[in-house]
Amino acid sequence: QKEVEQDPGPLSVPEGAIVSLNCTYSNSAFQYFMWYRQYSRKGPELLMYTYSSGNKEDGRFTAQVDKSSKYISLFIRDSQPSDSATYLCASDILTGGGNKLTFGTGTQLKVEL
Amino acid sequence: EPEVTQTPSHQVTQMGQEVILRCVPISNHLYFYWYRQILGQKVEFLVSFYNNEISEKSEIFDDQFSVERPDGSNFTLKIRSTKLEDSAMYFCASSPGVYNSPLHFGNGTRLTVT
Repeated sequence: QKEVEQDPGPLSVPEGAIVSLNCTYSNSAFQYFMWYRQYSRKGPELLMYTYSSGNKEDGRFTAQVDKSSKYISLFIRDSQPSDSATYLCASDILTGGGNKLTFGTGTQLKVEL
Repeated sequence: EPEVTQTPSHQVTQMGQEVILRCVPISNHLYFYWYRQILGQKVEFLVSFYNNEISEKSEIFDDQFSVERPDGSNFTLKIRSTKLEDSAMYFCASSPGVYNSPLHFGNGTRLTVT
């Protein structure tokens, strides 16, 4: 069973739309949840991270974690063409030996003019 | 904003050759990592490094791999005898700590083994 699952897309939306990106995870030990954005041939760029269930907002981005259903979401408001990228969710158990992130496959997003 | 830098951006090598991938982590960070991404697949953890020693490694990180922090700024990944299946993007990352310390990634080195 895959530990972190993500719909690969591609997801295509018009400029200005609200985008919802989702992940599910199977490991109850995951405590730490992150969203990264990856442009083609670039490294993952941190967008948001959170430890707790609930919502965390940063500008146009809102991360939502529901530990009871093992569900992670990222919402992007007023989407822009520059948001076109692959979005990766990642989780970590936090053993103290460093951050051993488990990534999803990534969802490819295209925001069209 | 400080960033993780990796060199080279692209490395081509023949099967069986040794390669060294180099990284300069963010200067005040204490934890260093290597991850890899085979084309079309997930980003995968290879190894974490803290206080001049490996703190955790994955099953992928076998005896062919080694890491080193030769001086106060560089962090390297060595693959002793490359295989075709080692072809991937290799990402270096660093973090200031473990808790409340998300990883910052470099732009990667694309390794092609022929």
